[in-house]
Amino acid sequence: DADVTQTPRNRITKTGKRIMLECSQTKGHDRMYWYRQDPGLGLRLIYYSFDVKDINKGEISDGYSVSRQAQAKFSLSLESAIPNQTALYFCATSALVGSDTQYFGPGTRLTVL
Amino acid sequence: AQTVTQSQPEMSVQEAETVTLSCTYDTSESDYYLFWYKQPPSRQMILVIRQEAYKQQNATENRFSVNFQKAAKSFSLKISDSQLGDAAMYFCAYRSWSGGNKLVFGAGTILRVKS
Repeated sequence: DADVTQTPRNRITKTGKRIMLECSQTKGHDRMYWYRQDPGLGLRLIYYSFDVKDINKGEISDGYSVSRQAQAKFSLSLESAIPNQTALYFCATSALVGSDTQYFGPGTRLTVL
Repeated sequence: AQTVTQSQPEMSVQEAETVTLSCTYDTSESDYYLFWYKQPPSRQMILVIRQEAYKQQNATENRFSVNFQKAAKSFSLKISDSQLGDAAMYFCAYRSWSGGNKLVFGAGTILRVKS
């Protein structure tokens, strides 16, 4: 089974709808991240969390919110989706110590019409 | 703020040949990590190789190796004996030693492998 899972894998929604993307991990990592991938821009950090009580904004947090429900779960919400939020979204995790290499989930393709 | 630049949007290589992907970065820090990630058509992000800035020796993982030039702020990836399965988007990424362990990514290079 995959260490980092994301649901849904693909989603099409309409402008103005609220949508939640979920991430779960079995790696036992404390740190979790949400990135967005757009063509020609690479991946950009939306939010990150170092533990359940710690949430931090990344480079492009406007229009997004997150919830760290447990050590293993980190959700990303779009309160009112807009077309320019159409992108590939990745969740990632890393350990508190050591190399801190980030391990990515399989991604969620989100299309906002 | 740190930035990562990949100047080659696309590269092609013949199967069994060697190809080098370029990456430069801008930082005022002396301690940091550098990574190369591979993204095949499955879109999964796969770690290829990592380099700690304090290590002078270039990292190597099987057919993948890096040329890390700290003074020039350059971090290129060399793929030897290219295989069809190497075809993917490759991302260079920077992580500060401090400052939240956030990754800063380049825009990516698409690698095509010809048989």
